[in-house]
Amino acid sequence: GQQLNQSPQSMFIQEGEDVSMNCTSSSIFNTWLWYKQDPGEGPVLLIALYKAGELTSNGRLTAQFGITRKDSFLNISASIPSDVGIYFCAGQLKETSGSRLTFGEGTQLTVNP
Amino acid sequence: DGGITQSPKYLFRKEGQNVTLSCEQNLNHDAMYWYRQDPGQGLRLIYYSQIVNDFQKGDIAEGYSVSREKKESFPLTVTSAQKNPTAFYLCASRATAGNTIYFGEGSWLTVV
Repeated sequence: GQQLNQSPQSMFIQEGEDVSMNCTSSSIFNTWLWYKQDPGEGPVLLIALYKAGELTSNGRLTAQFGITRKDSFLNISASIPSDVGIYFCAGQLKETSGSRLTFGEGTQLTVNP
Repeated sequence: DGGITQSPKYLFRKEGQNVTLSCEQNLNHDAMYWYRQDPGQGLRLIYYSQIVNDFQKGDIAEGYSVSREKKESFPLTVTSAQKNPTAFYLCASRATAGNTIYFGEGSWLTVV
């Protein structure tokens, strides 16, 4: 079952506003990934984080790997209508064997023009 | 172009029938995955394979079967034993190095 808590579940914002979402876990993660999914499409990787404390940007997106290795956040600055979609966090648990990832439940983002 | 190709994009199945969803990747990735996504929900792992001729059950494997005869192919069969198969199915793959998973564009399965 899911071991990640992703919040908020949904967000309704105005174009131009900044957005922040996060994922937390009671377990330690080795990797944090952030994906965006458009309706009817597969998730697309936005940012990958591999080290505790790592802060990485991709255009208007910024994500951080928490220093406790149990959380991560994603910020979107100056939102635009095409930012609409579902954002998922995913991570690999330290104790997980093989190559399984654990996914959050997603944050549905709506941007009003 | 390199990537993960799923087919068909849309599939309708009658109750009691088995159907197979295709997933092919030309990324030379070792690991491949199948996820199920229900409307408004996250991704649930059905099966995964880390190497050719080997695969493991995920969290919701009942009613599904897979094979991994070739590195580039990982087909998923939705059997008649799957009681609620209508969903969006996503195939993914991962290189040996690194923990990043890349997804195909998904297949919609509807039971009619």
